[in-house]
Amino acid sequence: DTAVSQTPKYLVTQMGNDKSIKCEQNLGHDTMYWYKQDSKKFLKIMFSYNNKELIINETVPNRFSPKSPDKAHLNLHINSLELGDSAVYFCASSQDFSLGRGNTIYFGEGSWLTVV
Amino acid sequence: AQKITQTQPGMFVQEKEAVTLDCTYDTSDPSYGLFWYKQPSSGEMIFLIYQGSYDQQNATEGRYSLNFQKARKSANLVISASQLGDSAMYFCAMREGFNAGNMLTFGGGTRLMVKP
Repeated sequence: DTAVSQTPKYLVTQMGNDKSIKCEQNLGHDTMYWYKQDSKKFLKIMFSYNNKELIINETVPNRFSPKSPDKAHLNLHINSLELGDSAVYFCASSQDFSLGRGNTIYFGEGSWLTVV
Repeated sequence: AQKITQTQPGMFVQEKEAVTLDCTYDTSDPSYGLFWYKQPSSGEMIFLIYQGSYDQQNATEGRYSLNFQKARKSANLVISASQLGDSAMYFCAMREGFNAGNMLTFGGGTRLMVKP
């Protein structure tokens, strides 16, 4: 069983479209995240949710809207896609907010978004 | 200032030899955690090893060990007996404190190539 799963894995779409990426974790974790990896492989946090509540929004354009229907799901909706949105988007989860050996952040396999 | 610095964009190592991937970090928080992730060409992010700032001993996980030098703020990853399957991008990351939204800050990564 995949612990953190996200769909779709690959997405090619035209500029101006609206698209969503879904994420689900079956680890019973309270905290979920979206990270963006750009073409230079740099990874940056976008959003952090704890128990369905938004904790971090790291200066992401408001065209990006995360939605957490329950603590096992954190979906990412993107409006009016732009060329610069092309990237790999990673969903991740951790037990909670605490530091510690057991509170590792686990990543999904990534969703490769290409805007043309 | 960069919070996590990985100074080696790319490295080669001969199969079966050991290799050290460098990571330095910057934080004023006394409580933090350091992580290493592996990203193979297939794209997923795989957790390798964790070191807490208060841990007295260096972390080890199989062939992976972390050379933690707190005073120097370095957390180098050592891979022993390199295998061809170790060829991948390696990311060092840090999580600070208890109220930082639990997010990971990543370094720019090191691409490791294992030669047969």
